[in-house]
Amino acid sequence: QAGLTQSPSVSKGLRQTATLTCTGNSNNVGNQGAAWLQQHQGHPPKLLSYRNNNRPSGISERFSASRSGNTASLTITGLQPEDEADYFCSAWDSSLSAWVFGGGTKLTVL
Amino acid sequence: EVQLVESGGGLVQPGGSLRLSCAASGFTFSGNWMSWVRQAPGKGLEWVANIKQDGSEKYYVDSVKGRFTISRDNAKNSLYLQVNSLRAEDTAVYYCVREDYYDGCFDYWGRGTLVTVSS
Repeated sequence: QAGLTQSPSVSKGLRQTATLTCTGNSNNVGNQGAAWLQQHQGHPPKLLSYRNNNRPSGISERFSASRSGNTASLTITGLQPEDEADYFCSAWDSSLSAWVFGGGTKLTVL
Repeated sequence: EVQLVESGGGLVQPGGSLRLSCAASGFTFSGNWMSWVRQAPGKGLEWVANIKQDGSEKYYVDSVKGRFTISRDNAKNSLYLQVNSLRAEDTAVYYCVREDYYDGCFDYWGRGTLVTVSS
């Protein structure tokens, strides 16, 4: 089953802004939007945003998401050392009747 | 507080079987779709299977169809994954995950249980 496409890695400086992208198709990202997950080494993933730009309680406003067509984006402003992690996007694919994930983006904060 | 606690992982030979369990607490278990998601060492996330609130609908990733079976017991607040005919490529941490159907996301994750398939 085809997954979503993410850049493997992004590097940005402290206090800079990083934008991560996730590209799918009209059956997944373009249909119901994407959710974003953050995973630190050795820990389970944590939900950051859903339905493109809704944040669970406790998630910093520095994390914001959006969607344009079949591409979802996660923007992290004012990068902090603790933002260094792997970021995954996910979406339900109505054609496959399956959840699909992006391959993940490793964010390095310099 | 929502808690999902997996168990049942371990070392198994190719062709072997395991039954993974997930004990849920802190929410109305019968009110949510539930999923199993796995992560091979050093790799990304792969959705494995999910099950509707009453167990009437189940979906699987192609690579496990016919080998894995997802089930649930709402009276015991428990989710299960029977994994048969295991292959080396099934080696992964298996996470029990709560779905938010309406918001289209995985909102709570367990800490996972490691399945290692090796001779």
